[in-house]
Amino acid sequence: GENVEQHPSTLSVQEGDSAVIKCTYSDSASNYFPWYKQELGKRPQLIIDIRSNVGEKKDQRIAVTLNKTAKHFSLHITETQPEDSAVYFCAASDNDGQNFVFGPGTRLSVLP
Amino acid sequence: DAMVIQNPRYQVTQFGKPVTLSCSQTLNHNVMYWYQQKSSQAPKLLFHYYDKDFNNEADTPDNFQSRRPNTSFCFLDIRSPGLGDAAMYLCATSMTGGPYEQYFGPGTRLTVT
Repeated sequence: GENVEQHPSTLSVQEGDSAVIKCTYSDSASNYFPWYKQELGKRPQLIIDIRSNVGEKKDQRIAVTLNKTAKHFSLHITETQPEDSAVYFCAASDNDGQNFVFGPGTRLSVLP
Repeated sequence: DAMVIQNPRYQVTQFGKPVTLSCSQTLNHNVMYWYQQKSSQAPKLLFHYYDKDFNNEADTPDNFQSRRPNTSFCFLDIRSPGLGDAAMYLCATSMTGGPYEQYFGPGTRLTVT
């Protein structure tokens, strides 16, 4: 089955700096890769996702890149703000979206 | 305009006393999931329904059961809760054929005394 690894497990950045979180997956059949943000005590919320037919996707300060050959994808947050502090989970899923496998999460702290 | 609703938000049960958590959705999604999440960990998939087809994860304990009486509702039954079952239980939905995003409910925090 699919296995998703995520690094780093914790990340601290100064406000205004960029943050990068990386994930690798094992199943070449996976072709949907979402990123979820979870604030303390709240539900995971989708912040950006990418399909395997796209190499990069951007939404304001957030971007995701995918290297399908190497089976890795990354989340990039620019101009970080304190409200970006949360746990971020990557995930990989096959084409019909049934089989989601989450990475272990990255706790991002943005220091003012 | 809540889309995935979970009740109750907080549940306290006694060791060994059966408990049922509920989830409903207004999205008409055909896939519903139950996850267990312990603090600082990723959500762990317990099972999911693809339409009426039940899919159990291999390592989900027999203590956990689920029912989906119709498209909108899904229940998680914990037959004999142990202290190790204390966690946040998240329900999520998605639609096959896209978009594939999973929509999460707010979760039910289960405490076992």
